[in-house]
Amino acid sequence: KQEVTQIPAALSVPEGENLVLNCSFTDSAIYNLQWFRQDPGKGLTSLLLIQSSQREQTSGRLNASLDKSSGRSTLYIAASQPGDSATYLCAVRPTNTGNQFYFGTGTSLTVIP
Amino acid sequence: GAGVSQSPSNKVTEKGKDVELRCDPISGHTALYWYRQSLGQGLEFLIYFQGNSAPDKSGLPSDRFSAERTGGSVSTLTIQRTQQEDSAVYLCASSLGQVTDTQYFGPGTRLTVL
Repeated sequence: KQEVTQIPAALSVPEGENLVLNCSFTDSAIYNLQWFRQDPGKGLTSLLLIQSSQREQTSGRLNASLDKSSGRSTLYIAASQPGDSATYLCAVRPTNTGNQFYFGTGTSLTVIP
Repeated sequence: GAGVSQSPSNKVTEKGKDVELRCDPISGHTALYWYRQSLGQGLEFLIYFQGNSAPDKSGLPSDRFSAERTGGSVSTLTIQRTQQEDSAVYLCASSLGQVTDTQYFGPGTRLTVL
């Protein structure tokens, strides 16, 4: 069974810092990997979707990379802002059970003004 | 355009009662997913609908859980004889239907079983 791990579980940084969130997965046979953010009491907001054939995706201050062979993805946030404070989740979609994503437990990010 | 909507946003019920949770997917999305997020846990897959195909029910934790999708659009998740361990946030997501497509999530229903 696919297992997804996110490190660290929590991260606190001062405003303006660049930061990296990590996601690792045990089975490299995936269709894609998706990064989400979740604000307290809210649903998930999609940030970036990386297909298995891609190495990275960028949206604004966010850049996500994928190294499928090593089972790793990183989410890079440039020039962090207090509004970036949220829980960040990564999820992979295995090819053998393509009907669902497997989620990590998330990294809780706090950006201090 | 309108996103995925879910109702109610909060539901408090007594142990042993039945509950129904509703999900309205994005118009035109053929795939619909239900997940459960328990306190301190990751998201747990429950069930998947794709068009008119038979649903993938492999994630349902017990036979007290069931779901249907009427007319290929709105879905209802029903939990019978609720237990305290059913307390969680139930999230619905939809997508265009290809495995390469993005999943879009609703705001969730927070279920509390007393």
